[in-house]
Amino acid sequence: KAGVTQTPRYLIKTRGQQVTLSCSPISGHRSVSWYQQTPGQGLQFLFEYFSETQRNKGNFPGRFSGRQFSNSRSEMNVSTLELGDSALYLCASSSTGAPNEKLFFGSGTQLSVL
Amino acid sequence: AQSVTQLGSHVSVSEGALVLLRCNYSSSVPPYLFWYVQYPNQGLQLLLKYTSAATLVKGINDFEAEFKKSETSFHLTKPSAHMSDAAEYFCAVSSGGGAQKLVFGQGTRLTINP
Repeated sequence: KAGVTQTPRYLIKTRGQQVTLSCSPISGHRSVSWYQQTPGQGLQFLFEYFSETQRNKGNFPGRFSGRQFSNSRSEMNVSTLELGDSALYLCASSSTGAPNEKLFFGSGTQLSVL
Repeated sequence: AQSVTQLGSHVSVSEGALVLLRCNYSSSVPPYLFWYVQYPNQGLQLLLKYTSAATLVKGINDFEAEFKKSETSFHLTKPSAHMSDAAEYFCAVSSGGGAQKLVFGQGTRLTINP
């Protein structure tokens, strides 16, 4: 079974631009969640989608948004990029997104904002 | 609100020595607790999880953790460290409710000395 796939692996953008990151979950998994990882703030929850609906959202500004498609693939978008958005963005999938479920993580997209 | 504190951002042990990584949590409801490991340039991988079935939890690669409610702790141990254990380790807590939202500790970087 293929793992969680995130594309692209690396991105370089400039301030003010927008970016879209993609995540393909493990086949059969319906829950996709996103996390931001930075040296200063660590790992922080962005949002979680299940069956195309956002079920949970972290404490991030509205510039961060996401969506999930009918095949469970997910995208996250960051508009009006700021230097502080430079981070590793990790996508994780699970079967139902239940609180006690194991998450399967992708290798992440490393975003650098110049 | 939930929180996780990992004591020690860096831990260094000799190959063959005991590994002990400390984690304390705060949760207003019975928690689900996890330990994840992150190798360089990779996503996170689940080592083990506590979901109230047993207080001593065994995971992959001979890691185990003990849930102690009275101490609000979930420390990770391994009897004998291997060079391949060098990585960053994250403790995380998830509450009940309909969807998983992990709150991570700041991580502990484990170094193994030959």
